Amino acid sequence: GESVGLHLPTLSVQEGDNSIINCAYSNSASDYFIWYKQESGKGPQFIIDIRSNMDKRQGQRVTVLLNKTVKHLSLQIAATQPGDSAVYFCAENQAGTALIFGKGTTLSVSS
Amino acid sequence: DGGITQSPKYLFRKEGQNVTLSCEQNLNHDAMYWYRQDPGQGLRLIYYSQIVNDFQKGDIAEGYSVSREKKESFPLTVTSAQKNPTAFYLCASSIEYRPSEAFFGQGTRLTVV
Repeated sequence: GESVGLHLPTLSVQEGDNSIINCAYSNSASDYFIWYKQESGKGPQFIIDIRSNMDKRQGQRVTVLLNKTVKHLSLQIAATQPGDSAVYFCAENQAGTALIFGKGTTLSVSS
Repeated sequence: DGGITQSPKYLFRKEGQNVTLSCEQNLNHDAMYWYRQDPGQGLRLIYYSQIVNDFQKGDIAEGYSVSREKKESFPLTVTSAQKNPTAFYLCASSIEYRPSEAFFGQGTRLTVV
């Protein structure tokens, strides 16, 4: 089936920098997108979501951008902290169907 | 506290043996899911259950079996037919069948020795 992919498997940033994690999706019928954070040895945690009728959504220190023209999704983390170090996954969903997960980007934050 | 609990956290199995992974939730959720995660890969759906006594195959069900005799429990058996069982297994649940709204457990790491 179609899959969601991430552009980079790893991203290293300095504490205090802004991080941008990218994701490309291929199913134009997907109408809901989610970003998850997964710390080592733990299950994924929901970070933020966005519906296809939106271009941008902001949370606490995080922003998700959706560009449907090029089927691109990004997660921006402001003032990245060491506690943000984890694997970040995007996932796409079409109503009534299973989630499709991307491969994940490992974010490493050095202080 | 309400939550979803997977046990054990680490599990070792000899090749050719069946092994059962436990998943329990006290969230009163109807739907439960099992995913497999391999290094550098996204989660892949093994099985899901929308309601008690019902379950459906996901994308990679071969070599796995499940049961849903109770609302709060959705055990996964990794059988000897699963050729590459070493992986991180994640259970999730949601109020109803809405995979995007599921909460995840902490996972079980299965290693075949």
